[in-house]
Amino acid sequence: EPEVTQTPSHQVTQMGQEVILRCVPISNHLYFYWYRQILGQKVEFLVSFYNNEISEKSEIFDDQFSVERPDGSNFTLKIRSTKLEDSAMYFCASKGQGEQYFGPGTRLTVT
Amino acid sequence: AQSVTQLDSQVPVFEEAPVELRCNYSSSVSVYLFWYVQYPNQGLQLLLKYLSGSTLVKGINGFEAEFNKSQTSFHLRKPSVHISDTAEYFCAVSGSNAGNNRKLIWGLGTSLAVNP
Repeated sequence: EPEVTQTPSHQVTQMGQEVILRCVPISNHLYFYWYRQILGQKVEFLVSFYNNEISEKSEIFDDQFSVERPDGSNFTLKIRSTKLEDSAMYFCASKGQGEQYFGPGTRLTVT
Repeated sequence: AQSVTQLDSQVPVFEEAPVELRCNYSSSVSVYLFWYVQYPNQGLQLLLKYLSGSTLVKGINGFEAEFNKSQTSFHLRKPSVHISDTAEYFCAVSGSNAGNNRKLIWGLGTSLAVNP
């Protein structure tokens, strides 16, 4: 069964550093998403991406965040200068015509 | 805008007992409703969804949920749980008129602990 994959599973970085979280969506899906879950809090929508552009973003997704689909298979989330409060589990999802399929997540720890 | 409330943060239950995990939502538009499950150290897996039609929906692993529009609820039920059902359960909603984008709005999650 096709699945969404994410790398790395755990990333530790120092405050102020740039991080790139990688996702490989299901191959025939056209809609891509990033969500995050801060420990003990709700899963929050960050951004959706369709047809090579952002279709919607939340107020969390400020200028420090960017997304890219660099090669037609990967879907990346970049945080330019990480803050302590960016520590969270980041989930990638992709969707065809049906429901969203989620990856296993990347746990980002900012120290 | 939508919001989701999961009324129980933790639900302990004995094996083979029935369970109900509660979910209420608010929305100014029609919605689609989802339950996802997250097993330890794994991603989010769809259990079931309500899009339209019958208000009682059946999902994987013997779970079912009933959409109640008047009470704005979408409670998840299973008549007899197994140890392997121990996991975190998330209720989520999306606007049905949002085109194909349909971002998900999530509840806080309910931790189901099945004890022998």
